[in-house]
Amino acid sequence: NAGVTQTPKFQVLKTGQSMTLQCAQDMNHEYMSWYRQDPGMGLRLIHYSVGAGITDQGEVPNGYNVSRSTTEDFPLRLLSAAPSQTSVYFCASSYSPGSSGYEQYFGPGTRLTVT
Amino acid sequence: GNSVTQMEGPVTLSEEAFLTINCTYTATGYPSLFWYVQYPGEGLQLLLKATKADDKGSNKGFEATYRKETTSFHLEKGSVQVSDSAVYFCALSESSASKIIFGSGTRLSIRP
Repeated sequence: NAGVTQTPKFQVLKTGQSMTLQCAQDMNHEYMSWYRQDPGMGLRLIHYSVGAGITDQGEVPNGYNVSRSTTEDFPLRLLSAAPSQTSVYFCASSYSPGSSGYEQYFGPGTRLTVT
Repeated sequence: GNSVTQMEGPVTLSEEAFLTINCTYTATGYPSLFWYVQYPGEGLQLLLKATKADDKGSNKGFEATYRKETTSFHLEKGSVQVSDSAVYFCALSESSASKIIFGSGTRLSIRP
């Protein structure tokens, strides 16, 4: 198993450009999510999905779009990049939450700089 | 709403010192509690978890006990090593919810 993979590892964008951060998992997990990590802010949830065709907003969704056409893939789209979106982005996946608790598996992250 | 509060860092200790990182939570139901660790340049990985009151999670010499009466899940280790230097995140999830909530993270540095 490759686990959770993210591409690219690093990206530099100019203000106003758009791009897609890719995320894929091979564990047949239903639940996938995107976080951004900023210094002193911990992890903030951007969007999440509880299954193919179902997505919902997290804490900081503005400026980002997601779709979930397959169980494996959950891309994150930046519509018009802004310097405030400079951050490290993590994708994570897990089985559905349940009473036994569930572990989220994280990708290695994408470091994005917007100039 | 649900939330997680953990002690601010950075925390700097000498090798073989005792470690405690405090974590308290607010939840409406009966959450599962987690500690994740992030080593430099990597994503987060699960360190330990506890799914009900009085459970103790343990891994790699780290322990944390789910205390419902004090709504706490403090992380402890009896003798830290330089290799434990990382950022530690406390987190919770509720069985009825679709997301996991993280604390802000505590950076730990261990001096040789």
